[in-house]
Amino acid sequence: EIVLTQSPGTLSLSPGERATLSCRASQSVGRDYLAWYQQKPGQAPRLLFYGTSIRVSGIPDRFSGSGSWTDFTLTISGLEPEDFAVYYCQQYGSSPATFGQGTKVEIQ
Amino acid sequence: QVQLQESGPGLVKPSGTLSLTCTVSGFSISSGDYWGWIRQLPGKGLEWIGSVYHSGSTHYNPSLQSRVTISVDTSKNQFSLKMTSVTAADTAVYYCARAGSNPLGSALWGQGTLVTVSS
Repeated sequence: EIVLTQSPGTLSLSPGERATLSCRASQSVGRDYLAWYQQKPGQAPRLLFYGTSIRVSGIPDRFSGSGSWTDFTLTISGLEPEDFAVYYCQQYGSSPATFGQGTKVEIQ
Repeated sequence: QVQLQESGPGLVKPSGTLSLTCTVSGFSISSGDYWGWIRQLPGKGLEWIGSVYHSGSTHYNPSLQSRVTISVDTSKNQFSLKMTSVTAADTAVYYCARAGSNPLGSALWGQGTLVTVSS
């Protein structure tokens, strides 16, 4: 199965700062089958992006997704208070679907 | 607006069978799409369990396949998860999700339900 490794484990930033989250795959995922999710405490994960960079309706444009093959990035251009959460990447091109271990974005 | 809601026992005895149902509202399962189950193990992240198509065809995580059955009941607009021979390691929050056209996807999630395996 494809292993996804996210870094860093925790990102401590202030509101307004830029967040850059990394997701690295153990083998190629291509571009079509990489997704990003946001999870807040007590809530289910919410899909932010699919196909690496296709933003889900309603997701603010300060969020962007990029990358290909084995290296992917989620960028938040200016953190808002509601953006502090845990973010997961997922590949869904090869069975079984797998998730990264998550990056926690916390308020510094 | 499509919504999913999990239901089932919150406590299951070791060696028993975990049974959960997901009720879908706002969309008819018989219209199409894959529907899946994902679990979040305490402190260990997310694990894809499997999915079912409206026709009943299934896809499973090989690591769980021997113990898992996912089925669909289009008359009730529900799909279900059964996991046999559970142990404490199966304690998790279980989510149902709309996978969409890809059996491995998880575009929209239910709120999740905590299942504890304990005697």
